[in-house]
Amino acid sequence: DAKTTQPPSMDCAEGRAANLPCNHSTISGNEYVYWYRQIHSQGPQYIIHGLKNNETNEMASLIITEDRKSSTLILPHATLRDTAVYYCIVRANYGQNFVFGPGTRLSVLP
Amino acid sequence: GAVVSQHPSWVICKSGTSVKIECRSLDFQATTMFWYRQFPKQSLMLMATSNEGSKATYEQGVEKDKFLINHASLTLSTLTVTSAHPEDSSFYICSARDGPTNTEAFFGQGTRLTVV
Repeated sequence: DAKTTQPPSMDCAEGRAANLPCNHSTISGNEYVYWYRQIHSQGPQYIIHGLKNNETNEMASLIITEDRKSSTLILPHATLRDTAVYYCIVRANYGQNFVFGPGTRLSVLP
Repeated sequence: GAVVSQHPSWVICKSGTSVKIECRSLDFQATTMFWYRQFPKQSLMLMATSNEGSKATYEQGVEKDKFLINHASLTLSTLTVTSAHPEDSSFYICSARDGPTNTEAFFGQGTRLTVV
């Protein structure tokens, strides 16, 4: 079973920041937080991952709370192409597959 | 990121026939590959995990004799749906990782299978 809880859907205006929350209250000390997204009829695309420090790359920023029980994925300037289902996944570093929950369906509106 | 390619992107087959889906890692060696299935409006469900040169490990409820997985090289894994039925129609996605120390996995673009 997925170890994360995400809102089923969110809307965001084009050009604004999209903040996608994720709860993972049972996360273990050796488990990372990963974010993937899936655009309709495509395979999942890796976005970012982190352990306890905040992370940023060219796609997004990941903010992890100090107790690691929740995190937020931030798309700083959402575009229509960011419309997708976003999956938050927790996984230990070694040997495990990725377990996908239902994710959050983000709709970026013009 | 690394590139994982699936072929074909879509396929239509008749009931009772077999279909083979290929998954290739184009710029890295994939010691482990995962096969997922996704029904409409649902999330990805893991079917099996394959390690190069050994038998695949199937998830509970997945028939190993129906979904044959071969991972004969470090860049290629195949999934064969044998004696396909309409209920096997789904979106099949593979994922690959380049070793136990690498953290993220990369996904293929998926294969849409329709059995008529």
